Amino acid sequence: DIQMTQSPSSLSASVGDRVTITCRASQSVRIFLNWYQQKPGKVPKLLIYAASNLQSGVPSRFSGSGSGTDFTLTISSLQPEDFATYYCQQSYTNPVYTFGQGTKLEI
Amino acid sequence: QPYLVESGGGVVQPGRSLRLSCAASAFTFSRYTMHWVRQAPGKGLEWMTAVSYDGRNKYYADSVKGRFTISRDNSKNTLYLQMSSLSAEDTAVYYCASSASGLDAFDIWGQGTMVTVSS
Repeated sequence: DIQMTQSPSSLSASVGDRVTITCRASQSVRIFLNWYQQKPGKVPKLLIYAASNLQSGVPSRFSGSGSGTDFTLTISSLQPEDFATYYCQQSYTNPVYTFGQGTKLEI
Repeated sequence: QPYLVESGGGVVQPGRSLRLSCAASAFTFSRYTMHWVRQAPGKGLEWMTAVSYDGRNKYYADSVKGRFTISRDNSKNTLYLQMSSLSAEDTAVYYCASSASGLDAFDIWGQGTMVTVSS
């Protein structure tokens, strides 16, 4: 099974900061890596698919990069509504998917 | 807009069974693989199981294999999750999810249904 490890597990930042979250796969997942945002009490929302493709409607301050085993989600200038928990997910073994443990982004 | 609506959650005693449903609307349900994902209180997302578009192929995480059964009825646009031998560790919000656009990602989620396993 492919394991996904995110770092850090939590992160404190301020409005306007540039933030990077890392996701590492236990083996290559090529570019089959997705990122989700989840706010408390809400349903997860797809942000980035296939490592670097911005989902429709997602602000351009979000970007993703990487391939193989190492991936990053970057928020170029944090906005108040970006404080949430972020999850990576590998879809290389589709339809068996694996999520990372999450990164909580706090003010 | 396509949407999914789960139902069937509630409080159940340890060792008992429960069946969840997920109804799809404005969505070509029969074309897509469907998934269940759960989230224990205060914890992360856990992919649990998937069923192919035609119901023939089923996939399970080790944590639920042998206890949970996924199925679908394309004539009713409905996905099911039959859960048995429930324990406190199965307490979670259960989401159905899929791709409404053919991506290898979940761009459509239900609102979730809470299952609490407690005596």
